[in-house]
Amino acid sequence: QSVLTQPPSVSAAPGQRVTISCSGSSSNIGNNYVSWYQQLPGTAPKLLIYDNNKRLSGIPDRFSGSKSGTSATLDITGLQTGDEAIYYCGTWDSSLSAGVFGGGTELTVL
Amino acid sequence: QVQLQESGPGLVKPSETLSLTCTVSGGSISSYFWSWIRQPAGKGLEWIGRFYTSGTTDYNPSLKNRVTVSVDTSKNQFSLKLSSVTAADTAVYYCARDWSGWYFDLWGGGTLVSVSS
Repeated sequence: QSVLTQPPSVSAAPGQRVTISCSGSSSNIGNNYVSWYQQLPGTAPKLLIYDNNKRLSGIPDRFSGSKSGTSATLDITGLQTGDEAIYYCGTWDSSLSAGVFGGGTELTVL
Repeated sequence: QVQLQESGPGLVKPSETLSLTCTVSGGSISSYFWSWIRQPAGKGLEWIGRFYTSGTTDYNPSLKNRVTVSVDTSKNQFSLKLSSVTAADTAVYYCARDWSGWYFDLWGGGTLVSVSS
């Protein structure tokens, strides 16, 4: 049971837009920065978004992040087949004094 | 550029201690948080714990009694020890550079550790 809640899967057609949600609480998302990671099969997670909405250098602007209250969102526009991966949100939990992640969302580009 | 590489035994017996090392190359280990994160096959990411080079440590409450993270700045390495392992500790273990727990910008390639007799 992950501290942060993500939908298990999302799907959309190439060129379309998809939104992945991440829900938490005041002890984590509500009072800390959120990050997003992309994990391709058999590889380590790769940081996409940090500090809620900053893209790591080299990440296409098709990827964007936002946060409101105790929830965060990753938006991916202009979907490509290469975007098929599992996406994780993460942050710090001030009550647990621990890093926490969502359970991951598998993106399928139909 | 800075790179991380995990190393250690791929097989550990139940009740023994899992020991892994992460070597940081291309940059200094000083003045950063360094974390360990694991991922059982087909499952999500679990943060294990971290060390700051000043000596501060934080651990996942669910693993706290079994985990030790330490740093050897002279070797630019940091280590993980997880005691009394069971099959539930079988996972790919990653080391990562940690920015206050808010994000992990550099990751090692991961190393699979299986717990089995």
